[in-house]
Amino acid sequence: KNEVEQSPQNLTAQEGEFITINCSYSVGISALHWLQQHPGGGIVSLFMLSSGKKKHGRLIATINIQEKHSSLHITASHPRDSAVYICAVNGETSGSRLTFGEGTQLTVNP
Amino acid sequence: NAGVMQNPRHLVRRRGQEARLRCSPMKGHSHVYWYRQLPEEGLKFMVYLQKENIIDESGMPKERFSAEFPKEGPSILRIQQVVRGDSAAYFCASSPLMDRRHLLDTQYFGPGTRLTVL
Repeated sequence: KNEVEQSPQNLTAQEGEFITINCSYSVGISALHWLQQHPGGGIVSLFMLSSGKKKHGRLIATINIQEKHSSLHITASHPRDSAVYICAVNGETSGSRLTFGEGTQLTVNP
Repeated sequence: NAGVMQNPRHLVRRRGQEARLRCSPMKGHSHVYWYRQLPEEGLKFMVYLQKENIIDESGMPKERFSAEFPKEGPSILRIQQVVRGDSAAYFCASSPLMDRRHLLDTQYFGPGTRLTVL
């Protein structure tokens, strides 16, 4: 079993829909990251969080440390949000090394 | 402020050749990480370096792979005697600091080098 599990693996939505991507992890962590990988392959860091909630534009990330769970929400989704969203964690004993989930492929149709 | 730069963006090698991948971190960043993404798989950590030091190489294959981050110049990931299974996208990321109290910093990713071994 992977230390970081994401769901769903694939997600198709219509433009304007509210989207949730989930991430569960099985180890103690220092921080959790959400990344976006564009169709061309480039990777952008969206959030780093260790507690609570962060918001940037239409993106919201939450984390529940007790339940070892994080969610990434996208409000008013748009076709340009189509990408792979990756959850990654810094384990408590692994320093700055990141352990990644398999990613969630999001497709937003117009 | 230029982002993390990687070159080449695409590299084709024949089996048995050497591959050298270069990564220039963002200005002011002294921490470099290398990750590998095999086809249809997720990202995997390979190595974490600071200037002139390898901090964590627990993700590096024991043979044929090496990495360095010299005092001057880019970080280099070197793969000797490449095999077809080395075909992958290799991403470099950099960060400005790591707080020893686990207050970690965002990692900024380069565009990746796509290695194809024929």
